[in-house]
Amino acid sequence: GENVEQHPSTLSVQEGDSAVIKCTYSDSASNYFPWYKQELGKGPQLIIDIRSNVGEKKDQRIAVTLNKTAKHFSLHITETQPEDSAVYFCAASTGTYKYIFGTGTRLKVLA
Amino acid sequence: DAGVTQSPTHLIKTRGQQVTLRCSPKSGHDTVSWYQQALGQGPQFIFQYYEEEERQRGNFPDRFSGHQFPNYSSELNVNALLLGDSALYLCASLTAWGYGYTFGSGTRLTVV
Repeated sequence: GENVEQHPSTLSVQEGDSAVIKCTYSDSASNYFPWYKQELGKGPQLIIDIRSNVGEKKDQRIAVTLNKTAKHFSLHITETQPEDSAVYFCAASTGTYKYIFGTGTRLKVLA
Repeated sequence: DAGVTQSPTHLIKTRGQQVTLRCSPKSGHDTVSWYQQALGQGPQFIFQYYEEEERQRGNFPDRFSGHQFPNYSSELNVNALLLGDSALYLCASLTAWGYGYTFGSGTRLTVV
């Protein structure tokens, strides 16, 4: 069945360092890959997304890469700041309907 | 510009009871989906509504039902509540053929 695996489950980095979160999807028909940030007591917030016709996308300190052949996609956060501390979820979708989410990565940025 | 609003924010129900959760989508959005997020897990798709019809459904029993109104707002109903239904219920909206759901802050349902 459809599945998205996400690693690591927790990640601690020093402020200013980079953080990388990796996901693998199972459905080869997936063509849209959003990343969400969820802070305590809040709903997930879309931070960046990528579609299957693009290999990489960058938005300031955040970038996402996609390897369709390997069914891998990754989130890269550079120059991490304490406010980046949150739970991050990757997701995969074959359209605009349901998203299959990963199990989340708790990122802690240590000052 | 208001985002997705959900009510109530918290709810405690007894096993066997029924519950109704409400959602108003972001302005300009006409498609609403509901997700269930268990503690420490990623959100799981329940169903999506567009033009007042259920467009797609996830792997949830018929105890979970929904409705979309002409103003695009939506309700999620859960009958015969089980302890395992305790979770954060998230409403998300987007335009019909758009990408990137906007999520609300959720309703925390506790079944005792």
